[in-house]
Amino acid sequence: DVKVTQSSRYLVKRTGEKVFLECVQDMDHENMFWYRQDPGLGLRLIYFSYDVKMKEKGDIPEGYSVSREKKERFSLILESASTNQTSMYLCASRPGASRYGYTFGSGTRLTVV
Amino acid sequence: TQLLEQSPQFLSIQEGENLTVYCNSSSVFSSLQWYRQEPGEGPVLLVTVVTGGEVKKLKRLTFQFGDARKDSSLHITAAQPGDTGLYLCAGVTDNFNKFYFGSGTKLNVKP
Repeated sequence: DVKVTQSSRYLVKRTGEKVFLECVQDMDHENMFWYRQDPGLGLRLIYFSYDVKMKEKGDIPEGYSVSREKKERFSLILESASTNQTSMYLCASRPGASRYGYTFGSGTRLTVV
Repeated sequence: TQLLEQSPQFLSIQEGENLTVYCNSSSVFSSLQWYRQEPGEGPVLLVTVVTGGEVKKLKRLTFQFGDARKDSSLHITAAQPGDTGLYLCAGVTDNFNKFYFGSGTKLNVKP
């Protein structure tokens, strides 16, 4: 069964901490994405990557960075966590340049206190 | 402002009722997808519609893509509690790396 695996389901971090969210996919997909989901705001794209070592800013990249050293792994980094980054974070992957849909991970619910 | 507007935002119905969820835009999409998300989980792809006017059926769920490829609907017949969840539409532009998600319809089907 193909899947996208996010390393943590729940995280609680302190303001100012550096936070790493890890995502691994086993489908050999070229494209990987990080979204955050907030009530009333829907899914908002933070960053995406269409190849190893490539990254593109999404709609809300401020306060975040990403790393894609291997095709199967896409990491989201919160450089200095703030309370307004409390959210559900969803990783997704998709085959390249196609109309195929996303395969999402189960999400990481991050709380910054 | 959302590129894709979904309505209604919330829907609470009894088991056995029918319902329709709408996804509308002023933009044209090359394809449109529907996802269902259960609490505490990521969205799961239900269907992709590609051709204007296309209708796809998935058991009790019927999906339609508008003729002009600007809107879509999801109709559920005889809803069951297992249909409960957040339904999201996503429009795909000609640049396949850009998806636009609607804000979702939260459906609750009561036994």
